[in-house]
Amino acid sequence: QSALTQPRSVSGSPGQSVTISCTGTSSDVGGFNYVSWYQQHPGKAPKLIIYDVFKRPSGVPGRFSGSKSGNTASLTISGLQADDEAHYHCCSWGGSYTLVFGGGTKLTVL
Amino acid sequence: QVQLQESGPGLVKPSQTLSLTCTVSGGSISNDNYYWTWIRQPAGKGLEWIGRIYGSGSTNRNPSLKSRVTMSADTSKNDFSLKLSSVTAADTAVYYCARVFRYGDYVDYWGQGTLVTVSS
Repeated sequence: QSALTQPRSVSGSPGQSVTISCTGTSSDVGGFNYVSWYQQHPGKAPKLIIYDVFKRPSGVPGRFSGSKSGNTASLTISGLQADDEAHYHCCSWGGSYTLVFGGGTKLTVL
Repeated sequence: QVQLQESGPGLVKPSQTLSLTCTVSGGSISNDNYYWTWIRQPAGKGLEWIGRIYGSGSTNRNPSLKSRVTMSADTSKNDFSLKLSSVTAADTAVYYCARVFRYGDYVDYWGQGTLVTVSS
């Protein structure tokens, strides 16, 4: 079971859009529609922002959207705001009753 | 509102066993729509899934940690526990307990996390 691959960092200016990728294999991301994304501010526990590839929990702004193509899932944040600056983690069902996370991506709002 | 709270020693000596308990309030660990999981995060690094347990006691573990991980659940106390044996400095991390919705395998509630340092 290998960690999913995410870029270490991305950046964007307020109002812009950024996309964070999460690449796995056909045994995890590509094989199941069970990809979730979490936002984590410094010193805090992660917070669910996307589940089942593209669904948003109640209270999460529509600026956050998820998608998947093949073995790669993506999180897009549009209309960047200062408070979006955080770490973002993807997670997938890994088969064989396991979960697998990505290495995390630091988003900097310029 | 579901709440989870980790408890246990913040300092463990190398080669010893790390023991943590997660106390759940606002929801029953016996609810089969969910399972309960442990996740850890070394400083400055990503999240690592350790393993999961149902209220019934059924468990699954990360293959990379499997031989060192033991999990249990106590429905009378509504809590679940983690034991990680033969720890080294590489096991130093913030440890989170969390609830996972089984029909989608996503974490909807997290504990606040507890830092466990392995050092002599």
